[in-house]
Amino acid sequence: AQSVTQLGSHVSVSEGALVLLRCNYSSSVPPYLFWYVQYPNQGLQLLLKYTSAATLVKGINGFEAEFKKSETSFHLTKPSAHMSDAAEYFCAVSSPNTDKLIFGTGTRLQVFP
Amino acid sequence: GAVVSQHPSRVICKSGTSVKIECRSLDFQATTMFWYRQFPKKSLMLMATSNEGSKATYEQGVEKDKFLINHASLTLSTLTVTSAHPEDSSFYICSATELDTQYFGPGTRLTVL
Repeated sequence: AQSVTQLGSHVSVSEGALVLLRCNYSSSVPPYLFWYVQYPNQGLQLLLKYTSAATLVKGINGFEAEFKKSETSFHLTKPSAHMSDAAEYFCAVSSPNTDKLIFGTGTRLQVFP
Repeated sequence: GAVVSQHPSRVICKSGTSVKIECRSLDFQATTMFWYRQFPKKSLMLMATSNEGSKATYEQGVEKDKFLINHASLTLSTLTVTSAHPEDSSFYICSATELDTQYFGPGTRLTVL
């Protein structure tokens, strides 16, 4: 069975500071991993995905994530936070033989001026 | 590319009426679409998998006679909430799959009075 754990339901950073959102996964098969962002009252937007190619994945809006098999992690980072990054972030896992996504509980990012 | 739309974005209805929500993939064909429900400040709960030309697959605990899903074409899936009650009020989000990745619609806010 697959699962995703997002540590920290809320993360607060100052504008310009490093953003680090944590995601650990559990999967019995090589996983596909995703980060999505959700702004209030909107759907989910794909930030980036890992599908067994390069372990360091670059996404939109300056975000990137690194797949670390030894740590079963796929943490999301951004060097310098912007006010517009304030949103809910979801990590998700699927397997190559199914389209179903298993979501983490989400992390709300707040950015202070 | 990979744009998914939903209609309506917001609907208010009386208890006992039925509501239909449409999900369209605008620039790609999707044999598989998914329907999710999201409660306030919560993650997404998968309701069902919609497959073009066949019956939908419902997750455990989701009433298939309550939430009717039709996937009549490669670009359209519909969710009908039958005999809606206030407890059905929620944010409903669809997604469509292209190349191992789910792309999400903007969501539909359903309020049942």
